[in-house]
Amino acid sequence: AQSVTQPDIHITVSEGASLELRCNYSYGATPYLFWYVQSPGQGLQLLLKYFSGDTLVQGIKGFEAEFKRSQSSFNLRKPSVHWSDAAEYFCAVGAQGGYNKLIFGAGTRLAVHP
Amino acid sequence: DAGVIQSPRHEVTEMGQEVTLRCKPISGHDYLFWYRQTMMRGLELLIYFNNNVPIDDSGMPEDRFSAKMPNASFSTLKIQPSEPRDSAVYFCASSFLSGDTDTQYFGPGTRLTVL
Repeated sequence: AQSVTQPDIHITVSEGASLELRCNYSYGATPYLFWYVQSPGQGLQLLLKYFSGDTLVQGIKGFEAEFKRSQSSFNLRKPSVHWSDAAEYFCAVGAQGGYNKLIFGAGTRLAVHP
Repeated sequence: DAGVIQSPRHEVTEMGQEVTLRCKPISGHDYLFWYRQTMMRGLELLIYFNNNVPIDDSGMPEDRFSAKMPNASFSTLKIQPSEPRDSAVYFCASSFLSGDTDTQYFGPGTRLTVL
């Protein structure tokens, strides 16, 4: 069965530091992969997505993610974190039986210290 | 575009009462999804529609939950009777199939508290 694992429940970084959020997936075929961000009290906003082609994808707000098939990973990165990046981040994979069924990870909550 | 619209944003009700959550998808989108988010279970897909037809309701927790989509611009999720364990944030999302890809756009959610 397909699944998504985000190993880090909570991460704290200093403003200006680099960031990497981990995501590992289990899926029987080529996955569709997504990163969403949720600010407190808000809905989920799409940061970026991978369907095919270039394995390094660029998203909004300066985020990027790299698809590594050999490691079943889709880690999210940002070279310099801003205080406004504090939020919860969700990785999701398109599920079998319909690419439009998403399976979400448990989320990683990011705190940013000034 | 206004994005996905959900109402109400907050709902507080008493156990046993009927609750109706509403969603207006983005115009032109042909898929609509209902999710539930709790601390314990994270984000769960409850049901999704394609062209107003329910495609997969395997995530609906029990018969107390029902969802309808009478037209392309409106959907409801109803809980009758409500129970305290239904307390959660309910999200609606919509998407449009373009080629073999789609992206789901989420509404702001309805925070439901059942006392």
